[in-house]
Amino acid sequence: EPEVTQTPSHQVTQMGQEVILRCVPISNHLYFYWYRQILGQKVEFLVSFYNNEISEKSEIFDDQFSVERPDGSNFTLKIRSTKLEDSAMYFCASSRTGGGQPQHFGDGTRLSIL
Amino acid sequence: DQQVKQNSPSLSVQEGRISILNCDYTNSMFDYFLWYKKYPAEGPTFLISISSIKDKNEDGRFTVFLNKSAKHLSLHIVPSQPGDSAVYFCAAPPPEGGSEKLVFGKGTKLTVNP
Repeated sequence: EPEVTQTPSHQVTQMGQEVILRCVPISNHLYFYWYRQILGQKVEFLVSFYNNEISEKSEIFDDQFSVERPDGSNFTLKIRSTKLEDSAMYFCASSRTGGGQPQHFGDGTRLSIL
Repeated sequence: DQQVKQNSPSLSVQEGRISILNCDYTNSMFDYFLWYKKYPAEGPTFLISISSIKDKNEDGRFTVFLNKSAKHLSLHIVPSQPGDSAVYFCAAPPPEGGSEKLVFGKGTKLTVNP
């Protein structure tokens, strides 16, 4: 069964450094998402991406965050200048259609900011 | 208000018995709900969904019940198996049209004892 893959599984970065989290969504999916889960808290929506542009973003997704689909397969999340509070699990998801229809998640990248 | 709430952080049941996981929502305009299962070190996996035009949806051992008047849904697992031990999330797209995100509950950790 096709799946969403994320790399790396764990990223350790110094505060203030830039980090790029990578995702390969399911190939025939058209909608892409990033979520995060801070330890002990809810899974929170960050951003959705469709037709090569951001379709929706949360208040968490400030100017330090950006997303890109540089080619036909990868979908990346960049955090420009990381803060301690960015430490979390980051999940990429994709879906064939939008409107909240089942989104398929990757196994996540654990981001640890030192 | 766009909240989805899971008030029980954990549930423990014996193998073979029924597991009932509960979810409440605060906005009666929510019209579609999803359940996800999450194992440690993996991403959420879609399990089953229900639309507000139904009050029940069944898929094998998993049944979701929706009580719109009570703004409550539940996931029943019968019979429960040790492999069902995971964190279960209730999720829903916000009721306003055009939103792509999912709003998640905090999750309930299910432990099925052999």
